[in-house]
Amino acid sequence: QTVVTQEPLLTVSPGGTVTLTCASSTGALTSDNFPNWFQQKPGQAPRPLIYSTGDRHSWTPARFSGSLLGGKAALTLSPVQPEDEAEYYCLLYFRGTQSWVFGGGTKVTVL
Amino acid sequence: EVQLVESGGDLVRPGGSLSLSCAASGFRFSSYWMHWVRQAPGKGLVWVSRIKDDAATINYADSVKGRFTVSRDNARNTLYLHMNGLRAEDTGVYFCVRGPGGGADFDYWGQGALVTVSS
Repeated sequence: QTVVTQEPLLTVSPGGTVTLTCASSTGALTSDNFPNWFQQKPGQAPRPLIYSTGDRHSWTPARFSGSLLGGKAALTLSPVQPEDEAEYYCLLYFRGTQSWVFGGGTKVTVL
Repeated sequence: EVQLVESGGDLVRPGGSLSLSCAASGFRFSSYWMHWVRQAPGKGLVWVSRIKDDAATINYADSVKGRFTVSRDNARNTLYLHMNGLRAEDTGVYFCVRGPGGGADFDYWGQGALVTVSS
């Protein structure tokens, strides 16, 4: 059973920078894991932010960027806005099992 | 405008069955993979299943394999999820999600259908 791990909680000041990471129990991630990132606020459906590691959807603000960092997928928010307070989920593809696995989510608090 | 509208959510007893539908509009449904994703109350997202545009490839999460069946009717622009042997841990909101059609994956989500498994 593949486990995808994210930081449970991160706190950042408005205007600051925060990086969320996403790691797999199977080892170092590559672009073949097609990392996706989603933002979810209470009572809403998830909002897609990033696909295929670092590609933004047409509606994704430029302050959100995705990358691979030290064998993990990463989502960087800079500069952080108050409305960025939300839960963020990563999603990875595993070719061997032809399945997708979500991380447990990171709650980002903007204080 | 891309729209995905789920229906069929209900209260069902453990061991029971239920079918969900997802009506798609605003894009060429027959050219896209589709996914189901679920979320238990107050918990994280879980990928459930995907189906290729022509239904030639279907994959499931281990937690639902053998109990759930995904299908589609491209003539009716509709995605289905047939759920058997339901368990309390299957309770949650089930989202229909558009997959790749040559570009982005998981780009459009429905608002979800609530499935509650309880006696």
